[in-house]
Amino acid sequence: EDQVTQSPEALRLQEGESSSLNCSYTVSGLRGLFWYRQDPGKGPEFLFTLYSAGEEKEKERLKATLTKKESFLHITAPKPEDSATYLCAVQVTDDYKLSFGAGTTVTVRA
Amino acid sequence: DGGITQSPKYLFRKEGQNVTLSCEQNLNHDAMYWYRQDPGQGLRLIYYSQIVNDFQKGDIAEGYSVSREKKESFPLTVTSAQKNPTAFYLCASIGGTYTGELFFGEGSRLTVL
Repeated sequence: EDQVTQSPEALRLQEGESSSLNCSYTVSGLRGLFWYRQDPGKGPEFLFTLYSAGEEKEKERLKATLTKKESFLHITAPKPEDSATYLCAVQVTDDYKLSFGAGTTVTVRA
Repeated sequence: DGGITQSPKYLFRKEGQNVTLSCEQNLNHDAMYWYRQDPGQGLRLIYYSQIVNDFQKGDIAEGYSVSREKKESFPLTVTSAQKNPTAFYLCASIGGTYTGELFFGEGSRLTVL
């Protein structure tokens, strides 16, 4: 059975304190790994797609990396506006079905 | 502006009642999805549709039904057979040029009293 596990469940950071979120997966035949950001009471918002081990993507203070078994979302010098839940998802089939992890809730204090 | 509109945002239902959640998109996307989100759990797929008049069950379809009569619309009915319907429901769509970018609506929060 395909599994996506995110850690930690929650992360509290001081403004400017860099950290990383982990997404580990056990799937047969990864077609893509995706990161989304979700604000409270809102729908998720797409951040990145990663397709192969070694790939990296960056957007402002966020950087996503991918290995054969896990992905990391690095937050560099975070600001309070980076506070959100970050979701990881994987695609293993052709029909665009994504399997999501439970998310990591990040709180950045000023 | 293009996007996905879900309604209502909040809905209260008595046990034993069916309720329908609306999802409309003006992105001209072919595929549409319904996910359920519970605290501490990942999004779980209820139903999805890749073309008009066709849809498939996701991982937790029991107690739910859908229709796809128009490309723009993908309503979800939560029936009385759904044992634990209180949750946050999210509708999403994806276009033909696939990048893994699901576009989500703002969600509908259903509470069963």
